[in-house]
Amino acid sequence: GNSVTQMEGPVTLSEEAFLTINCTYTATGYPSLFWYVQYPGEGLQLLLKATKADDKGSNKGFEATYRKETTSFHLEKGSVQVSDSAVYFCALVAPPGNTGKLIFGQGTTLQVKP
Amino acid sequence: DVKVTQSSRYLVKRTGEKVFLECVQDMDHENMFWYRQDPGLGLRLIYFSYDVKMKEKGDIPEGYSVSREKKERFSLILESASTNQTSMYLCASSLEAGRAYEQYFGPGTRLTVT
Repeated sequence: GNSVTQMEGPVTLSEEAFLTINCTYTATGYPSLFWYVQYPGEGLQLLLKATKADDKGSNKGFEATYRKETTSFHLEKGSVQVSDSAVYFCALVAPPGNTGKLIFGQGTTLQVKP
Repeated sequence: DVKVTQSSRYLVKRTGEKVFLECVQDMDHENMFWYRQDPGLGLRLIYFSYDVKMKEKGDIPEGYSVSREKKERFSLILESASTNQTSMYLCASSLEAGRAYEQYFGPGTRLTVT
């Protein structure tokens, strides 16, 4: 079946450090891939997405590239800030015939210290 | 801005009570979803609906039911609450089925069953 695996957290970084959160997936066909972020006390919001192989999604300094050959969609940011502290979820929607159902990874907590 | 609202942020109920969680979206979205979020497990889909009066089981529907009488409102019902249903419940909506449309999430309801 379809699934998403994220690296275990929590990830603790100092401000301005480089961030990578690994995400790999298993899916039939060509899924669309997403990163969602959940700030403390809030619901999830879309951070970025990619809908086909080699697409790069980017937003707020975060980037992720859809790598079909390695079935990966790793999240990166060159210089994190304290305000980036949150839980990050990798997710996919897998065709065919799906109804927009998202399949989530388990989430990775990021803590950024000043 | 799309807005998804949930009726309560925090709820405490007793074992055996019937519990209603309400979700309302204001963007005329066809699809609505109910997830539960538990540490280490990510988000798991309980039920979703792609049209008024239509519903589909997600991955963990046992112990839950749903109602969608109007397009903007999707209710989750715990017929007889149990302690293992203590969790964060998140509602989401999206524009269309079968496409990589963004899901918009509400702020969540943290339910405690004692």
